[in-house]
Amino acid sequence: QKEVEQNSGPLSVPEGAIASLNCTYSDRGSQSFFWYRQYSGKSPELIMSIYSNGDKEDGRFTAQLNKASQYVSLLIRDSQPSDSATYLCAVKRGGSYIPTFGRGTSLIVHP
Amino acid sequence: GAVVSQHPSWVICKSGTSVKIECRSLDFQATTMFWYRQFPKQSLMLMATSNEGSKATYEQGVEKDKFLINHASLTLSTLTVTSAHPEDSSFYICSAPTGLANEKLFFGSGTQLSVL
Repeated sequence: QKEVEQNSGPLSVPEGAIASLNCTYSDRGSQSFFWYRQYSGKSPELIMSIYSNGDKEDGRFTAQLNKASQYVSLLIRDSQPSDSATYLCAVKRGGSYIPTFGRGTSLIVHP
Repeated sequence: GAVVSQHPSWVICKSGTSVKIECRSLDFQATTMFWYRQFPKQSLMLMATSNEGSKATYEQGVEKDKFLINHASLTLSTLTVTSAHPEDSSFYICSAPTGLANEKLFFGSGTQLSVL
């Protein structure tokens, strides 16, 4: 069974710190990896995608992928209270439309 | 990014009534759309895959006669919760894949259903 594991948290970090969110997956056939942000009562919003090993940076966000370890992470630099949300990791096999979502990690950035 | 519009945002209904939720892709054509359900503090649960011009594909444990899906055009999919009961109260979200290889999933704004 394909699984995507995330620590549910909450992860609490002070404003300005780096928040590190982690995700592991079981399906070695996975080729596409995504991070979604979901505010309470809202639908998920795509913030990062990554397809190859290494780091991918977009503004304050950096996604890191290690396929050998089946591990994907999201770093948020200079965390802001507005970053407080649940972050969902999603993983997809090649040729599939349907990603598998983790349960999400709740992030709290306190002033 | 791509825009997926979902209506209504919230609905309150009496037990036994039916509720229709609409999902539209506004700036692209979506031959496939996905319907998810999410209970508080739980992950997204895929209910079904909606296919334009053909029958929807339901996930195991999802009653197709209770959750009717229609995908009549390339920009519109609807989910009808028939004879809703309080246990159907949940957050329903549609989504559509897009991008070069349909790699990315964009979500509608969601519908909070409360059945009294």
